[in-house]
Amino acid sequence: DTEVTQTPKHLVMGMTNKKSLKCEQHMGHRAMYWYKQKAKKPPELMFVYSYEKLSINESVPSRFSPECPNSSLLNLHLHALQPEDSALYLCASSLPRTDRGYTDTQYFGPGTRLTVL
Amino acid sequence: AQSVTQPDIHITVSEGASLELRCNYSYGATPYLFWYVQSPGQGLQLLLKYFSGDTLVQGIKGFEAEFKRSQSSFNLRKPSVHWSDAAEYFCAGCASGGSYIPTFGRGTSLIVHP
Repeated sequence: DTEVTQTPKHLVMGMTNKKSLKCEQHMGHRAMYWYKQKAKKPPELMFVYSYEKLSINESVPSRFSPECPNSSLLNLHLHALQPEDSALYLCASSLPRTDRGYTDTQYFGPGTRLTVL
Repeated sequence: AQSVTQPDIHITVSEGASLELRCNYSYGATPYLFWYVQSPGQGLQLLLKYFSGDTLVQGIKGFEAEFKRSQSSFNLRKPSVHWSDAAEYFCAGCASGGSYIPTFGRGTSLIVHP
């Protein structure tokens, strides 16, 4: 099973709301990623977790707060977002190559389409 | 900077015609290279990958790609395109010995005419 699931599929929130995005995989992968993708653009890396520890934060604003409660689950907590944060948020996972770095092959979820009003 | 480049923003082909999408890389060592496809509003699906070995890589959905070190290229090909192939295609790569987190090209939008 090479599936990464993401919920919800769509999310509309106001700038004062607090919401969370959820990502789950059961492939035994120990590296998990959050990406942000604007229309007609490639995905931009936001965060990387390796063995449930945050290992990369690509200078993402603090209104985005990631969490990795266990090896199968990755959350992205959202608070006080701006309209420019509207985008497709993609989760991915991979087997980390502990001897040489992170990725073997990344498997992506379908994404959450976020609209901030 | 180490990266991949997709020179074509859009490619238009007729259904049944052959397809080649270009990807060039700039990594010092042998890179790890990937092709992903993304349908509108969907996530990215891996088509194929190259890590080492045979330079002609077969993927899913009838796609293949050829790693050419002399040309720093990893072009994606398909002999006969179907209307359902219309999508955004991303080439991605990372350098062996680095962080192994791929960077993505800007994408090529494939339009298929009936």
